[in-house]
Amino acid sequence: NAGVTQTPKFRVLKTGQSMTLLCAQDMNHEYMYWYRQDPGMGLRLIHYSVGEGTTAKGEVPDGYNVSRLKKQNFLLGLESAAPSQTSVYFCASSERRTEAFFGQGTRLTVV
Amino acid sequence: KQEVTQIPAALSVPEGENLVLNCSFTDSAIYNLQWFRQDPGKGLTSLLLIQSSQREQTSGRLNASLDKSSGRSTLYIAASQPGDSATYLCAVTTNQAGTALIFGKGTTLSVSS
Repeated sequence: NAGVTQTPKFRVLKTGQSMTLLCAQDMNHEYMYWYRQDPGMGLRLIHYSVGEGTTAKGEVPDGYNVSRLKKQNFLLGLESAAPSQTSVYFCASSERRTEAFFGQGTRLTVV
Repeated sequence: KQEVTQIPAALSVPEGENLVLNCSFTDSAIYNLQWFRQDPGKGLTSLLLIQSSQREQTSGRLNASLDKSSGRSTLYIAASQPGDSATYLCAVTTNQAGTALIFGKGTTLSVSS
């Protein structure tokens, strides 16, 4: 049982480059979330989805886009990476009002 | 806006000590509260989930309590071990943002042998 899997685990981007982070869950959860974790800032919500085909903005959505074309996958895109997007990104999934499960994270460095 | 605070930010104890980590939240209208453990460079591991109607949950040496009316939760760790060294995060869900978790900044625990 894999749970929540994030791809890739590490990535270095140059400023202006684009990339997509993939999150896959095998628990048939309706809700999926993308967070970023920065020193001194804690975990902050970027975007979330309450079901296949739905997405919504969280606390810090600027510079990111998301898609939920399949229930098990939630993609986070950076169209033009900036150094301020250097962070550790976490994906999570849950059912409504139940325990949330997290992936192992993607460590992204933008130079 | 819901805010979650964890005190202390860091804690060092000798092995075998019982300890309490504190979490407070500003809006008592929560659905549940979850405690996580995070090891350096790793993801978040769920420790305990307390629904808003519950007062406490226990798992092994861990006991989490919830006082929703006062906006407080505590995580009690009995007989601490060096392997308990990690960052402990508290998070709540509300009716905002698809019931996404709102996190505190964590307490970093160091248990010395």
